[in-house]
Amino acid sequence: EPEVTQTPSHQVTQMGQEVILRCVPISNHLYFYWYRQILGQKVEFLVSFYNNEISEKSEIFDDQFSVERPDGSNFTLKIRSTKLEDSAMYFCASSERMLGETQYFGPGTRLLVL
Amino acid sequence: ILNVEQSPQSLHVQEGDSTNFTCSFPSSNFYALHWYRWETAKSPEALFVMTLNGDEKKKGRISATLNTKEGYSYLYIKGSQPEDSATYLCASLGRGTALIFGKGTTLSVSS
Repeated sequence: EPEVTQTPSHQVTQMGQEVILRCVPISNHLYFYWYRQILGQKVEFLVSFYNNEISEKSEIFDDQFSVERPDGSNFTLKIRSTKLEDSAMYFCASSERMLGETQYFGPGTRLLVL
Repeated sequence: ILNVEQSPQSLHVQEGDSTNFTCSFPSSNFYALHWYRWETAKSPEALFVMTLNGDEKKKGRISATLNTKEGYSYLYIKGSQPEDSATYLCASLGRGTALIFGKGTTLSVSS
């Protein structure tokens, strides 16, 4: 069964460094998403992406964050200058269409900022 | 801002017990309610997407109902098995693309 994959599974970085989290969505899906979960808190929406542009973003998704679909298969989340509070599990998801469709999640990347 | 709440926070049952938990969500600006099953170190697994008031969905021993007028959904597990142990997340979708999640109910089933 097709699945969303994410790399790396874990990443440790120093505060102020840039990180890029990678995702390969399900191949025929057109909508892509990033969510995150800070330990002990709810899963929070960051951004959705369709047709090579951002469809919607949350207040968390400030100028330090960016997303890109550099080729036909990858979808990336870049954090330009990481802060301690960026430590979280980051999930990528994809869906075939938008409203009401199942969003299929990857296993997540655990980011630790020291 | 949507606020999705789930109860109980955690639940421990014996194998063979049936159980249910609740997800409440704001009924205004509602479009769909999603349920996920999430085991540690794995991807959250999609269980159901429900949109219509009165919707009932079933997948094996797991079923869910939806009441959009009062803003709640129930998830039922019949005859719990140890492999049902997981965190069950619900998420509400409004008119945008963002799923708004509850904190989840962690179910532990002992044999």
